Amino acid sequence: QVQLQQSGPGLVKPSQTLSLTCVISGDTVSSNYAAWNWIRQSPSRGLEWLGRTYYKSKWYTDYAGSVKSRITINADTSKNQFSLQLNSVTPEDTAVYFCVRQQWLFYFDYWGQGTKVTVSS
Amino acid sequence: DIQMTQSPSSLSASIGDRVTITCQASQDITNYLNWYQQKPGKAPKLLIYDASNLQTGVPSRFSGSRSGTDFTFTISSLQPEDIATYYCQQYDNLPYTFGQGTTLEIK
Repeated sequence: QVQLQQSGPGLVKPSQTLSLTCVISGDTVSSNYAAWNWIRQSPSRGLEWLGRTYYKSKWYTDYAGSVKSRITINADTSKNQFSLQLNSVTPEDTAVYFCVRQQWLFYFDYWGQGTKVTVSS
Repeated sequence: DIQMTQSPSSLSASIGDRVTITCQASQDITNYLNWYQQKPGKAPKLLIYDASNLQTGVPSRFSGSRSGTDFTFTISSLQPEDIATYYCQQYDNLPYTFGQGTTLEIK
């Protein structure tokens, strides 16, 4: 059974960097049939896909245009985890953030528990 | 970006009712559409993938279909545990996009 365990701070100050980590069990971050995504949810923006990383002979990343200049998603094979960094946050980045496995680049089948992140001074 | 227009935004129904939710894509996405169920305080759960395929372990009262760029999600006989918010999501093009959700309530 795949499990995704998220960790990271629930409060970030404006202009600083939001950092979250997702530890994978029951699968590997370098799996050839999965991609590892970050999705956030807020009342104003609904469910919003932020980006993903996956391995197919080499590492790939894709990002949403809305955050492309501020986001980095990295995989750490030694710890079997992946991470999200979002720079220069504003209150509009306040949301619940989920790490999510995507099967075969198709559907999102396993989700982390969610981390509520508030951007406030 | 592909826009997913989901309707209705909320729905009140009785136990045993047939419930239908629709999602319209702003362009052709073939069958590249999934449906999720989300209960309060929980992550979304995959119910239907590729427009009409039931995820393993999901009850058969849930189903999905496609007609062009219009997609339909149906609960054949509403059960108390089906009270949740439902979302469609396209994966034809990046960025992946979701519908705004349909909140289901018991009448």
